[in-house]
Amino acid sequence: DVKVTQSSRYLVKRTGEKVFLECVQDMDHENMFWYRQDPGLGLRLIYFSYDVKMKEKGDIPEGYSVSREKKERFSLILESASTNQTSMYLCASSLPGQGAPYFGPGTRLTVT
Amino acid sequence: EDKVVQSPLSLVVHEGDTVTLNCSYEVTNFRSLLWYKQEKKAPTFLFMLTSSGIEKKSGRLSSILDKKELFSILNITATQTGDSAVYLCAAMDSNYQLIWGAGTKLIIKP
Repeated sequence: DVKVTQSSRYLVKRTGEKVFLECVQDMDHENMFWYRQDPGLGLRLIYFSYDVKMKEKGDIPEGYSVSREKKERFSLILESASTNQTSMYLCASSLPGQGAPYFGPGTRLTVT
Repeated sequence: EDKVVQSPLSLVVHEGDTVTLNCSYEVTNFRSLLWYKQEKKAPTFLFMLTSSGIEKKSGRLSSILDKKELFSILNITATQTGDSAVYLCAAMDSNYQLIWGAGTKLIIKP
């Protein structure tokens, strides 16, 4: 059974803190994605990666960075968390080409 | 700019009703359309539609794509409370990038 796991389901951080969100997939997928999901806005792509050590900016990369040192792991980093980064963060992975992404359970991040 | 619009944004029906959810798209170099169901956590994949007019079916759920009129519908017959969820659609372009709609929140009343 395919699996994408995220390190935390709920996280509360303070403004200015550095935040790490981890995502691991066990399907040997090349592609990995980080989205944020806000009410009424749908899923917005933050960053994606097509291979180890490779990253591409999505639609809203400002305030975020990513790291992919191993194929199965894709990390999202908030260098200095701000209240407008309070959101649900979803990680996904897929095969190259026309593969439908599989999603992790999400991390609900609150920045106070 | 590419966009995907879902309607309605929310819908409340009674158990046993049939519902139709809509997804229209304007995407340069469209490739395919995907439907997902999201309950309290991860969106789960339902359908991928690439060809126009061919219905995909899974139990009480079915979906069809119209590439001429640029929309897709998701039908759920004999709804159950377990169908309550947010239904997401996304259009995939020729670069395999996904453009997401905002979702339709479906509530099934017993």
